[in-house]
Amino acid sequence: AQTVTQSQPEMSVQEAETVTLSCTYDTSESNYYLFWYKQPPSRQMILVIRQEAYKQQNATENRFSVNFQKAAKSFSLKISDSQLGDTAMYFCAFTKGYGQNFVFGPGTRLSVLP
Amino acid sequence: EPEVTQTPSHQVTQMGQEVILRCVPISNHLYFYWYRQILGQKVEFLVSFYNNEISEKSEIFDDQFSVERPDGSNFTLKIRSTKLEDSAMYFCASSGDSYSNQPQHFGDGTRLSIL
Repeated sequence: AQTVTQSQPEMSVQEAETVTLSCTYDTSESNYYLFWYKQPPSRQMILVIRQEAYKQQNATENRFSVNFQKAAKSFSLKISDSQLGDTAMYFCAFTKGYGQNFVFGPGTRLSVLP
Repeated sequence: EPEVTQTPSHQVTQMGQEVILRCVPISNHLYFYWYRQILGQKVEFLVSFYNNEISEKSEIFDDQFSVERPDGSNFTLKIRSTKLEDSAMYFCASSGDSYSNQPQHFGDGTRLSIL
């Protein structure tokens, strides 16, 4: 069974600074997909960024980028130029493929401070 | 951009009552899911549904739970006899197939409160 670990229950960062959220996972699959979802206080689940394991290039989406280390089974999220609106719970998620269920990590609560 | 919609946003039910949570997935998606998030905890997979049948379910999805796609658009989760521990946020999600390469899109969730 796959597991996803997020070792930082809570983090804080000053506005405009950069922060990195860590995620590790365990799987025997060779191909899979990794995601970061953001859950603001409204409790919606918002897709931030995704990475296909077969792609060596790290995904980027504007201020969000990942550091995907397949051998180490690590998938960290970097948020640059943090904004107050980035304050949320961030979940790392794994899936074996499209059409397969997600396995979520326990989440990291990020607070962006003015 | 198409969205997954869930109704109601908040449901309050007496313990022992039946509750039905409703979801309208994105129209061209083929896979449908229900997840649960107990307050302060992680999101947990309940069940996935494809081609009008359950494709996978977790240990949480016991006999008190059922899912249905009664027509071409709705996807429902029924809890037959609710318990206090069923209080949670329930998320519906949908996705296309591997060829469409689309990740799961989540609805805004239904907050279920059991009294």
